[in-house]
Amino acid sequence: ETGVTQSPTHLIKTRGQQVTLRCSSQSGHNTVSWYQQALGQGPQFIFQYYREEENGRGNFPPRFSGLQFPNYSSELNVNALELDDSALYLCASSLGRGRDEQYFGPGTRLTVT
Amino acid sequence: QQQVKQSPQSLIVQKGGISIINCAYENTAFDYFPWYQQFPGKGPALLIAIRPDVSEKKEGRFTISFNKSAKQFSLHIMDSQPGDSATYFCAAIYNQGGKLIFGQGTELSVKP
Repeated sequence: ETGVTQSPTHLIKTRGQQVTLRCSSQSGHNTVSWYQQALGQGPQFIFQYYREEENGRGNFPPRFSGLQFPNYSSELNVNALELDDSALYLCASSLGRGRDEQYFGPGTRLTVT
Repeated sequence: QQQVKQSPQSLIVQKGGISIINCAYENTAFDYFPWYQQFPGKGPALLIAIRPDVSEKKEGRFTISFNKSAKQFSLHIMDSQPGDSATYFCAAIYNQGGKLIFGQGTELSVKP
């Protein structure tokens, strides 16, 4: 069974640029959630996708957007990057919308300069 | 109402000792309470979880104690080992499978 994978591992971008982060869910999982973890903090929920539809969103501006594909992999897009967007971005997958167990990938470390 | 408060912020325990981390919540709609373990540079790993209809759950050296009336739950790590040194997060979720709300984290250091 393959776990959650994310790419890239690290990324450095300049303020104002756009970035796309990618996530492959664990085998058999159709629900993907994205979280932002600032240094020394707990992860903060960005949004969740279930079967290609957004299924809940946290307190993040519209420049944070996402997609889920038919194979249940997912992308997180962030436009107009700001310095405060520097964080570890985590993807978590689960078996279904009604299943609580969420399994996290290793994350993508984004640095905005 | 949606916060989960975790303490202590950091904890130092001797090898073989018991590590105890506490969390408190306000929203009684929470119905699933997991604990995650995170090593530096890694994603959080699901350690153990409990639902509010159970007062205690044990898996190996890890035990969750749950007090529904006090709206508190805690993680006990028995026989703590240096390999347990990591950051631990409690979390809560409601609306089945929705967003996880995390505590602030506890950095555990187990000294040999």
